[in-house]
Amino acid sequence: GAVVSQHPSRVICKSGTSVKIECRSLDFQATTMFWYRQFPKQSLMLMATSNEGSKATYEQGVEKDKFLINHASLTLSTLTVTSAHPEDSSFYICSARGAADYEQYFGPGTRLTVT
Amino acid sequence: GQNIDQPTEMTATEGAIVQINCTYQTSGFNGLFWYQQHAGEAPTFLSYNVLDGLEEKGRFSSFLSRSKGYSYLLLKELQMKDSASYLCAYMDSNYQLIWGAGTKLIIKP
Repeated sequence: GAVVSQHPSRVICKSGTSVKIECRSLDFQATTMFWYRQFPKQSLMLMATSNEGSKATYEQGVEKDKFLINHASLTLSTLTVTSAHPEDSSFYICSARGAADYEQYFGPGTRLTVT
Repeated sequence: GQNIDQPTEMTATEGAIVQINCTYQTSGFNGLFWYQQHAGEAPTFLSYNVLDGLEEKGRFSSFLSRSKGYSYLLLKELQMKDSASYLCAYMDSNYQLIWGAGTKLIIKP
């Protein structure tokens, strides 16, 4: 099956700093990438959808200036959490989908802790 | 609307069979997915149903009834490693996944 990687797997940062998370599709071209956030014991919450070369579409309630998404190539999307606060601490998961595919392939996730 | 429901938690015995139900209401439908998620890990794909009926894949089977807005995931010969959360999600008319809250499955020896 298709492989999606995420980096870093865990990150601890101080309040007020910014953190960048990378999502890569390793063996297929991801025309669409999705960014999710998951709090403990809760389901996945879609934050935004990005298509290669286009601006991301953010879900209601997600601040686009705080969560910067770049999908510059068919294999890489990045999520930057700017001016992080402790309430941003969460499990961030990306997924990717090819042009002729319905299935989303998930990355392993990034555990962000803001102190 | 975007309504999708599944039980919060279920308990079953090792070696037994368990059925996890999922109901949904939507005006646009492009299939239903089941994913398995172990604690602290990302979801992994289990099944995709777009037509009515039962899809069998080893110990796991998934069923769909589009007219009833209903799906279930059937797990046979349960093993301890099957302890996880099971997420159902339907794909809407925009090909976006709408997720259920997940069912935490606890397997007891």
